[in-house]
Formats: sequence, C-alpha cells, structure tokens
Amino acid sequence: DQQVKQNSPSLSVQEGRISILNCDYTNSMFDYFLWYKKYPAEGPTFLISISSIKDKNEDGRFTVFLNKSAKHLSLHIVPSQPGDSAVYFCAASGFNSGNTPLVFGKGTRLSVIA
Amino acid sequence: GAGVSQSPSNKVTEKGKDVELRCDPISGHTALYWYRQSLGQGLEFLIYFQGNSAPDKSGLPSDRFSAERTGGSVSTLTIQRTQQEDSAVYLCASSLAGVQVPNQPQHFGDGTRLSIL
Repeated sequence: DQQVKQNSPSLSVQEGRISILNCDYTNSMFDYFLWYKKYPAEGPTFLISISSIKDKNEDGRFTVFLNKSAKHLSLHIVPSQPGDSAVYFCAASGFNSGNTPLVFGKGTRLSVIA
Repeated sequence: GAGVSQSPSNKVTEKGKDVELRCDPISGHTALYWYRQSLGQGLEFLIYFQGNSAPDKSGLPSDRFSAERTGGSVSTLTIQRTQQEDSAVYLCASSLAGVQVPNQPQHFGDGTRLSIL
C-alpha cells in the first residue's frame, strides 16, 4: 500500500502562472517532508523541505504547505518558468530525524509552456 | 564537483551475471542510502548505512542483493545472478547523520542505469 501518493501524474501550466503540485500521505509517523525535482538521466535534486512543526516553508519561488490534519502537502511554484519542467517527487520520513529512508511518491511531471 | 558520484553510469549485462555498482558519497556525510527506480515507478528504498553498518536492509528484494560500505565512505551494491526484473536505475544518496543533526535532506547521485538482457 502506497504511503505517499501523488495522484496527478502530469500537470501543464503556462509560463508565469502558479504551479501547484499535491501530495498525500497515510502514515501519521511521518514528520519530515521533502520535494525533489528530477530531469531525465539525472538524479533527483533536493528542492525544499518542511518539518511537521511548521505549516509553511518558503524559498524564493518555491513554497511548501503542510496540512497535518489532512495529511496533505503541496508545492507552489510562482511564477512558473520553462526550466521548471521536470518530474517532481514528494518524499517523507519519520522519527524526527530525516535520516531514515525516504518514502517517495511516484512523481508528477510538470510541463511549463512558454 | 562535490556531489554524490556513482559508477558506472550505464551497465548492460546478460541475465545470470553478477554486477557491482559503486557510490562515492559527499565528503563528511556518514549516512548513505541505496534506492532503485523501475520504469514508471517511484523510488524504492533498498538499504541504508550509518557509517559502515547497515541498520536497515529491509528493502533488499532478495538474497541476490547485498551491499557493503568501507571506511565510512564508498559503498558497493552487488547483484548476483541478475534477472531481467533487476533492470532499473539504481540511485545512491547521502546525508549528514545523527540524532543531533535532525532533518537533513538526502542528496542523490545521477544513478546507474542497469539493463539485463
């Protein structure tokens, strides 16, 4: 059973608009959440993370929101740029360390159209 | 660069052969992880090292898979008697470790694309 779910396999957004990528999780022991971006033939690149003690973390154009009661997080990219086109993976870990193995969703392919 | 380095980047081999994949983590990172990504799937955890010991081997799919880490640095993942279902991209990641250093992201290499004929 998937513990981390990204229900949208793909998303298409116009350049300059907001991209919203969603992620749901089932394990209430998860307390650290991350987003990774992956280009073809490259490894995932760490983008942004959030601890369960927060509900928002912002880094430039990227903001992650966490709703613990709904077991839901989202990544907002604004404004979206063509270089943001990639596969985005949501990941989670537990036990307040971030050093346990990550559980990944299956990814959402974002296409930003110029 | 100073990132996670994996070799080879690509490996094609015949079914039944053994393969060895190598990972060189970021200097100073004591935690090292192996994952694999099969076609159309997310990343699947295989094994985790803290220093040279492996507290969690729960993700290894069969006893044909083994891994070791020496000197708290380089790790090798070995697959014996390869099968076609072993075809995947094998990814290595490292992070700063320890209870005193919580919530550290894992940083990934570019992976080894393994194809079993």
